[in-house]
Amino acid sequence: QKEVEQNSGPLSVPEGAIASLNCTYSDRGSQSFFWYRQYSGKSPELIMFIYSNGDKEDGRFTAQLNKASQYVSLLIRDSQPSDSATYLCAVNGKGSNYQLIWGAGTKLIIKP
Amino acid sequence: GAGVSQSPRYKVAKRGQDVALRCDPISGHVSLFWYQQALGQGPEFLTYFQNEAQLDKSGLPSDRFFAERPEGSVSTLKIQRTQQEDSAVYLCASSAGLAGVYEQYFGPGTRLTVT
Repeated sequence: QKEVEQNSGPLSVPEGAIASLNCTYSDRGSQSFFWYRQYSGKSPELIMFIYSNGDKEDGRFTAQLNKASQYVSLLIRDSQPSDSATYLCAVNGKGSNYQLIWGAGTKLIIKP
Repeated sequence: GAGVSQSPRYKVAKRGQDVALRCDPISGHVSLFWYQQALGQGPEFLTYFQNEAQLDKSGLPSDRFFAERPEGSVSTLKIQRTQQEDSAVYLCASSAGLAGVYEQYFGPGTRLTVT
């Protein structure tokens, strides 16, 4: 089992709909969770981070964390074609306070 | 403001050559990370610096890989005797935090191709 798992996709969503991206992690001790967006040929850029159970909203983005289920998700409301990218989930792991363990990413395609 | 910069952006090396990849972090960021990213994968941790101290090099794949940050700012990742399996994008990221997992900001990466 990989330490951080994501469905590779592609996930195809119509423009204006809600895109839901999921991530599961194996280390129960993980405390910090990050979502990054990576356009093709570019470097990852931070979208959101979440540390506490529940929802955290920032504009069109909502991160959801459920530590009991070891599950973190990212919702994108009113999806736009510019949201088409690979979304990477990263989790602090191995009892580390600095090292991030990364999923392989989910490719999201927003269809006009 | 200036973000993380890396150079060169692209490097083609013949197998067996040595290469040096440079990273300029965001000014004032004490933490610096190097990652390796293969196509279709997430970044893989290579090494971590806190100021000039290399606190973790557990991700370096072999003793051909060496990283330094002598003055706590610019960092160089050196790969000796490059092999084809070293072909990847090498990402540098910096973070303002000393402890705790703070947001990491990435440079554009160096795409290394070993022929």
